Amino acid sequence: AQSVAQPEDQVNVAEGNPLTVKCTYSVSGNPYLFWYVQYPNRGLQFLLKYITGDNLVKGSYGFEAEFNKSQTSFHLKKPSALVSDSALYFCAVNYGNMLTFGGGTRLMVKP
Amino acid sequence: KAGVTQTPRYLIKTRGQQVTLSCSPISGHRSVSWYQQTPGQGLQFLFEYFSETQRNKGNFPGRFSGRQFSNSRSEMNVSTLELGDSALYLCASSLVAALGELFFGEGSRLTVL
Repeated sequence: AQSVAQPEDQVNVAEGNPLTVKCTYSVSGNPYLFWYVQYPNRGLQFLLKYITGDNLVKGSYGFEAEFNKSQTSFHLKKPSALVSDSALYFCAVNYGNMLTFGGGTRLMVKP
Repeated sequence: KAGVTQTPRYLIKTRGQQVTLSCSPISGHRSVSWYQQTPGQGLQFLFEYFSETQRNKGNFPGRFSGRQFSNSRSEMNVSTLELGDSALYLCASSLVAALGELFFGEGSRLTVL
């Protein structure tokens, strides 16, 4: 069975500093990995995905993620955080037309 | 292009009642998925429909059901509501669900009293 883990419930970072939100996965076969963001009282918005190819994937709003097969990780990164990046972030793996989500990480960016 | 529309946005029911939630996908999207979001369990997959056929179902009791119409609109129904069914129910549509790029609606927040 596939699973995704986000080890941090919350990440705090100062505006302008780099941020990392961690994700590890467990799947059989090649993983299809995704990051979504959820703002308060809203649905989820797609940020980026890894299907195959380059291990560094670039997505929306300046976010990127690094796929590491040996460490089974897919960490979300951004070089310079903005206060407006504060939200709930979900890592997910696709298997059989369904997404399995991690528990979510709340990102707090302080001015 | 209009996004995914879910109705109603908020509703309150009492235990034992039933509820029907509606989802209109993005035009041209034939795959519709439903997820339940709660603080305790996080995001959990309910079911996925493609061209009126249920292709996948999550680990939920039979009280949870759904369907998809020929215009790709989808409904989900929860019968005999329990307090634990209180949640945000999210609908998502996509061109091809296997690629995982889902477009989510803003959800229907159900409160069961």
